[in-house]
Amino acid sequence: AQSVTQPDIHITVSEGASLELRCNYSYGATPYLFWYVQSPGQGLQLLLKYFSGDTLVQGIKGFEAEFKRSQSSFNLRKPSVHWSDAAEYFCAVVPLSYNTDKLIFGTGTRLQVFP
Amino acid sequence: AAGVIQSPRHLIKEKRETATLKCYPIPRHDTVYWYQQGPGQDPQFLISFYEKMQSDKGSIPDRFSAQQFSDYHSELNMSSLELGDSALYFCASSSAEGQEIRYTFGSGTRLTVV
Repeated sequence: AQSVTQPDIHITVSEGASLELRCNYSYGATPYLFWYVQSPGQGLQLLLKYFSGDTLVQGIKGFEAEFKRSQSSFNLRKPSVHWSDAAEYFCAVVPLSYNTDKLIFGTGTRLQVFP
Repeated sequence: AAGVIQSPRHLIKEKRETATLKCYPIPRHDTVYWYQQGPGQDPQFLISFYEKMQSDKGSIPDRFSAQQFSDYHSELNMSSLELGDSALYFCASSSAEGQEIRYTFGSGTRLTVV
């Protein structure tokens, strides 16, 4: 079945540590790819997006993501996490081959940061 | 820069009541989307409109309806409210820019059904 998978429901890291959040998709053609962040009770903020071209994408707040076609993945990374990064992170796709432009979200990864 | 405006920000309704949520997209964005996010859940697509016509439909209950008006604002109408309708409802608008799509989300309407 077509889907967006975020295997890690909850991740805990220490402040200053590196971070990688995983995202895999299963669609026939490479979809458009996005990462959003959401603080409790708040809206969705776009971190970065990939449509085509350079597979390493730079985003806001020091985040980056790498698209790997062979692994159908779009993992989010940050070299040094800050306490303010604690939030819910959603990977999302637009599955181009299905004649739709709606965003389909993964189930999210909750990031907890310890001082 | 103008953003997607949603109103109200918070809404409390009783079971079986009706609620109307409003969304004002970014000017010149041609598509509006509605999403529902339950507690601890990911946003689920409900419905979208392109140039005031319904363009896609997701897991939207029959008790819900939506439309986009001539001024491009959209309304989500929810009737016979149930406790399970309590959620954060997001509106987003988008425009195609070359081979990219630019999405912008509103801050959401938090609906509580009691």
